[in-house]
Amino acid sequence: DGGITQSPKYLFRKEGQNVTLSCEQNLNHDAMYWYRQDPGQGLRLIYYSQIVNDFQKGDIAEGYSVSREKKESFPLTVTSAQKNPTAFYLCASSGQGRDEAFFGQGTRLTVV
Amino acid sequence: QKEVEQDPGPLSVPEGAIVSLNCTYSNSAFQYFMWYRQYSRKGPELLMYTYSSGNKEDGRFTAQVDKSSKYISLFIRDSQPSDSATYLCAMSGSTLGRLYFGRGTQLTVWP
Repeated sequence: DGGITQSPKYLFRKEGQNVTLSCEQNLNHDAMYWYRQDPGQGLRLIYYSQIVNDFQKGDIAEGYSVSREKKESFPLTVTSAQKNPTAFYLCASSGQGRDEAFFGQGTRLTVV
Repeated sequence: QKEVEQDPGPLSVPEGAIVSLNCTYSNSAFQYFMWYRQYSRKGPELLMYTYSSGNKEDGRFTAQVDKSSKYISLFIRDSQPSDSATYLCAMSGSTLGRLYFGRGTQLTVWP
């Protein structure tokens, strides 16, 4: 089945640690996105990539980093510089010619 | 002013009611419009997709886009308790560019 896979589903981070969230898609989509969702708020864009080896900052990129070395993969690293990382993180992808975005099932990150 | 405005609700209706959800936007370059449904602790799922202005119907769901008023709507007919979720509108001006989301409207349909 084609789709987007995010892992892990739940992640716990200690203060001062970097953690990496995985996002893989087998839809052959060119564009991939990372969003953050906090309770009662909409989706806020962290980073997005329209092509391999290229990505752009979204509205809340500070404290996050990404890479796009392969078309199917777009990992997100939450660094220790992100002061309030506890949130629900969603990865999405979108194909050429049609501006639909399909989402993964999310990773819930908690700082302990 | 935010790019996309959406009343967060909450909205509570009895089973069988017609539900109307709306978003307004400020960027006249938007031409791709989507509605997503998100159940608690899950990723959003695409419900309706519309390009440019007009109506689109899919079963009990109808999406409307009025570009002249910068206003989009989602209607749910014969609402069911299983429709209880958060509904997010999203829009974009290009095929691969970023999407702009509303805050989402929380809907509860009670039996």
